Amino acid sequence: QSALTQPPSASGSPGQSVTVSCTGTSSDVGNYDYVSWYQQHPGKAPKLMIYAVNKRPSGVPDRFSGAKSGNTASLTVSGLQAEDEADYYCSSYAGSNNLLFGGGTKLTVL
Amino acid sequence: QAQLLESGPGLVKPSDTLSLTCTVSGSSISSTNWWGWIRQPPGKGLEWIGHIYYFGTTYYNPSLRSRVTLSVDTSKNQFSLKLTSVTAVDTAVYYCARNGGGYAFDIWGQGTVVTVSS
Repeated sequence: QSALTQPPSASGSPGQSVTVSCTGTSSDVGNYDYVSWYQQHPGKAPKLMIYAVNKRPSGVPDRFSGAKSGNTASLTVSGLQAEDEADYYCSSYAGSNNLLFGGGTKLTVL
Repeated sequence: QAQLLESGPGLVKPSDTLSLTCTVSGSSISSTNWWGWIRQPPGKGLEWIGHIYYFGTTYYNPSLRSRVTLSVDTSKNQFSLKLTSVTAVDTAVYYCARNGGGYAFDIWGQGTVVTVSS
C-alpha cells in the first residue's frame, strides 16, 4: 500500500480560501468515508481537524471543511488566518484495519 | 478529557529493540475501542505503525508487521510498542493516539524522540 498523494505546498493570503487535495485509490479513499485531516504546527503533535470526510470535532472552526469526490479528498480552509500556517496531513482507512497517511502539505499564509 | 504520554529510551542502538509505553490519564483505556501508534521521521510525514483494541486484538502496518508488537495493560491504563531490529531509518518522533471514531485519532500524546545510533 502506498501513501496518499498530497501536494507538497499550498498558499493563500489572509482572508482567502485554499484547498488541499489528497489522492488515493479505489481501495482506500474511493472506497471508504473514513478520511481524516490533521494540522501540525512545528514541533507539535498533530491535531484532528476533520474526520469521516467532512465532520469537524468540537472546537475546530467552521472555516475548515472537508469533501470527497471519487478517489480524491480535499480540505478547504476559508478566511485564511495567520495561525492556519502549518503542515496538513490526510489519512484514510484502507481496509483490513489498515490506515494510510498522505505525505503532507505545507500551507503558507502569505 | 483523556491525556496520553509516551515514555521510553530516547536512544537505541542498531539491531536492538525499541520499547515505548503510552500512559493514558483522565479516562479508562477500556472506554475507547482502540489506541494507536504513529511515527514521524525527521522532516518527513506521518506513518501509521499499528493499533490495538483494549481487549488485545492488534493490527499492524504491513511494512512493519514482522518487527512490531503492540500490547495493552488495562490494570495500568497503558499500552506499549516494541520494534525489533531497529536501524537508523527507525529514528523518528513516536506518537501514541486515541481512536476517536471513524478511524481518526482525536487525542495525541506529545510525542517522544527516538534516535537509533551506536
